[in-house]
Amino acid sequence: NAGVTQTPKFRILKIGQSMTLQCAQDMNHNYMYWYRQDPGMGLKLIYYSVGAGITDKGEVPNGYNVSRSTTEDFPLRLELAAPSQTSVYFCASSYSLSGRNTEAFFGQGTRLTVV
Amino acid sequence: TQLLEQSPQFLSIQEGENLTVYCNSSSVFSSLQWYRQEPGEGPVLLVTVVTGGEVKKLKRLTFQFGDARKDSSLHITAAQPGDTGLYLCAGGGGSNYKLTFGKGTLLTVNP
Repeated sequence: NAGVTQTPKFRILKIGQSMTLQCAQDMNHNYMYWYRQDPGMGLKLIYYSVGAGITDKGEVPNGYNVSRSTTEDFPLRLELAAPSQTSVYFCASSYSLSGRNTEAFFGQGTRLTVV
Repeated sequence: TQLLEQSPQFLSIQEGENLTVYCNSSSVFSSLQWYRQEPGEGPVLLVTVVTGGEVKKLKRLTFQFGDARKDSSLHITAAQPGDTGLYLCAGGGGSNYKLTFGKGTLLTVNP
């Protein structure tokens, strides 16, 4: 059981470049999330999805885009990379029913540096 | 926006000491979770509390959910170096019950 798989694990981008962080889960979870974590800090929600075809903004969505065409995949797109986007990015998934969130499973993270 | 405030932000103690960390909000949550994160890894769930006043124990860790479901605490008895890590609380709620995290408490237990 793979759980949540994120790729790549590390990436260095130049300012203005674009990239897509991939995330896939095989647990048939309806909720998927993208968080960023700066050094010594908690997790800030970038975008989330409650099901295929439905996405919504979190706390810090500027500079990012997402799509959810299938239950399994939830890619995060950075269009014009900026140094402020240097961070560790975590994808997570969970199952939520009737307002109760079950355990969120996290990927291993993507460490992104923008130079 | 539902905010979760965690305190203290940093905690450094000696092995064998007891400690309590707090997670507070002005909003009501349908459920609240505690995670532990080790360096280079994603957070891993410790416990979920759903009922106001609920107390759950996990070995030396005791979790409590406030009666009004707005706050929670984590108490560790006789801390060990293996307890070192970032402790995060997360609440589910709002219009879409999305999971929102606090900033975390970074715990260091010194041998």
